[in-house]
Amino acid sequence: ETGVTQTPRHLVMGMTNKKSLKCEQHLGHNAMYWYKQSAKKPLELMFVYSLEERVENNSVPSRFSPECPNSSHLFLHLHTLQPEDSALYLCASSLGMSNTGELFFGEGSRLTVL
Amino acid sequence: GESVGLHLPTLSVQEGDNSIINCAYSNSASDYFIWYKQESGKGPQFIIDIRSNMDKRQGQRVTVLLNKTVKHLSLQIAATQPGDSAVYFCAEAPYSSASKIIFGSGTRLSIRP
Repeated sequence: ETGVTQTPRHLVMGMTNKKSLKCEQHLGHNAMYWYKQSAKKPLELMFVYSLEERVENNSVPSRFSPECPNSSHLFLHLHTLQPEDSALYLCASSLGMSNTGELFFGEGSRLTVL
Repeated sequence: GESVGLHLPTLSVQEGDNSIINCAYSNSASDYFIWYKQESGKGPQFIIDIRSNMDKRQGQRVTVLLNKTVKHLSLQIAATQPGDSAVYFCAEAPYSSASKIIFGSGTRLSIRP
């Protein structure tokens, strides 16, 4: 059983819908991440949170809005998405941000935008 | 631009043989390298890592080799098993920072019975 849990595992939404992806980590980690995984492309880092503070936003469009209410939970709010946003969205956590490269990933939320 | 890339998109190996997956990187400032495995329907899973002050590191059935002269990284899997079927990603992390990890495109490893 993974220490990082993502829900829902699959999501289909229209371009005008508002939905949210949820991530929860049970590892006591201080940093959490959202990655986008598209077919035939490398993993793309979207957002990084450390101790509930956003420390990185990799030029992600504003239709993606992250929220980190505490160090164990991370959300990705979705609004007015485009079909090209269809992808696997992966949440990850790490003990800290510096001097450690091991990321623990969830199983992902497969998003389809119609 | 700087990139992490893989020499081959797919690799087919006979069960029981050794597998070698290669990766090239171009950022000379990278000092930390990681291999991840992603099985179908799952998220990436850490396999093994190596820092730039090492040339070789061994784990359970896996070995990572780092050649800084030619900026090349490889993952060797001994006695490949059906459970090794997955996509393997190399990644580099300048300054050993988890938030700076750059992933490669991945190599799909398939096992022939």
